[in-house]
Amino acid sequence: QSVLTQPPSVSAAPGQKVNISCSGSSSNIGNNYVSWYQQFPGTAPKLLIFQNNKRPSGIPDRFSGSQSGTSATLGITGLQTGDEADYYCGTWDSTLSVPVFGRGTQLTVL
Amino acid sequence: DVQLLESGGGLVQPGGSLRLSCAASGFTLNSYAMNWVRQAPGKGLEWVSTLKSSGDKTSYADSVKGRYSISGDKSKNKLFLQMNSLRGDDTAIYYCARGRTVGATFYFDSWGQGALVTVSS
Repeated sequence: QSVLTQPPSVSAAPGQKVNISCSGSSSNIGNNYVSWYQQFPGTAPKLLIFQNNKRPSGIPDRFSGSQSGTSATLGITGLQTGDEADYYCGTWDSTLSVPVFGRGTQLTVL
Repeated sequence: DVQLLESGGGLVQPGGSLRLSCAASGFTLNSYAMNWVRQAPGKGLEWVSTLKSSGDKTSYADSVKGRYSISGDKSKNKLFLQMNSLRGDDTAIYYCARGRTVGATFYFDSWGQGALVTVSS
């Protein structure tokens, strides 16, 4: 049972925008920064967003992050078939004193 | 370039032991919090253990506490995970990941390619 809740799957058409939500509590998202990871089948996760809304070098600005209260959102605009992957949110949980992840959301670009 | 390369995975019987290694290049291992994160087949990411940059503080997920031990070798710039009393639910790909921890921030900015550990008789 993960402390962060993500939808199992989302889908959208090429060129459209999609939002992936990540819901938590005051123990985690409410008081700590959120990061997002992209994982293609058979490969390692890759950092996409850190500190709620910052992009590492090389990540296109089609990817954005936001946080409000105890929830966070990953936004992807101009969807491409190459964006089909699993997306995970992560943060620190101050009560558990461990890093935690959501269960992941599978993105399908129809 | 930052690189992390895991090794040591394989097939082990229940109750057995295995030691994973992670060779780091492009940065000094003991300047960062280094982590192991695992992913069971078809499942999500699960944090396993952290070795803090001080090199002397460790933390573990409840699921592995008392069975796993994380350590580092500064001279070789390597991270290790000693896994004992292995169980079927330890079967997973184990990733070595560099952590960034400042204040309310904890994220993993670089990941290795992973090492598959299969626990089965």
